[in-house]
Amino acid sequence: LAKTTQPISMDSYEGQEVNITCSHNNIATNDYITWYQQFPSQGPRFIIQGYKTKVTNEVASLFIPADRKSSTLSLPRVSLSDTAVYYCLVGDLYSSASKIIFGSGTRLSIRP
Amino acid sequence: NAGVTQTPKFQVLKTGQSMTLQCAQDMNHEYMSWYRQDPGMGLRLIHYSVGAGITDQGEVPNGYNVSRSTTEDFPLRLLSAAPSQTSVYFCASFGQGPTGELFFGEGSRLTVL
Repeated sequence: LAKTTQPISMDSYEGQEVNITCSHNNIATNDYITWYQQFPSQGPRFIIQGYKTKVTNEVASLFIPADRKSSTLSLPRVSLSDTAVYYCLVGDLYSSASKIIFGSGTRLSIRP
Repeated sequence: NAGVTQTPKFQVLKTGQSMTLQCAQDMNHEYMSWYRQDPGMGLRLIHYSVGAGITDQGEVPNGYNVSRSTTEDFPLRLLSAAPSQTSVYFCASFGQGPTGELFFGEGSRLTVL
């Protein structure tokens, strides 16, 4: 899987939009970009996945520029319950079935 | 469907003891893996398997053994527990569904005294 770089931590306030950017300069043609969320004492859970342009679901949006060397997870109108660690993974999970390695993630803290 | 089930949820061992963490999934996923997470840290891959009878090492395999005799089960064995193995262990599985989603168990918190 491609190496990724994320901010170690971010702070925001309730009701704000939060954008977390992940850099992945060595992304390969067949690689997908996947984001996970982890609450304390729980396993990570899938948030969103994309290949290019923009993907939106009921939880978040994922923006991927044309060169795909970075991606931005956007959380609209965050609440206290969005306080968690967010991980960006990049890889061709469907064909390689190789090691799925997590980085250190971004620790997001939401204040009232 | 139960998803990914881990047992036990909590375990305390003495240095040198051995034990097995159990992991089972009912989604017919080929890929299964074990991670450990130390306080305030990210997840580190211990071992993984891409199918029954196939296992391989992750980032931190020393002190751990795995086997994959069935698609459903992927136990993690600690051969001789050390205090450095005090951690939370997560089992995960992945299948080629419509989204590349890795499903995690609830975790097993291990303390080695």
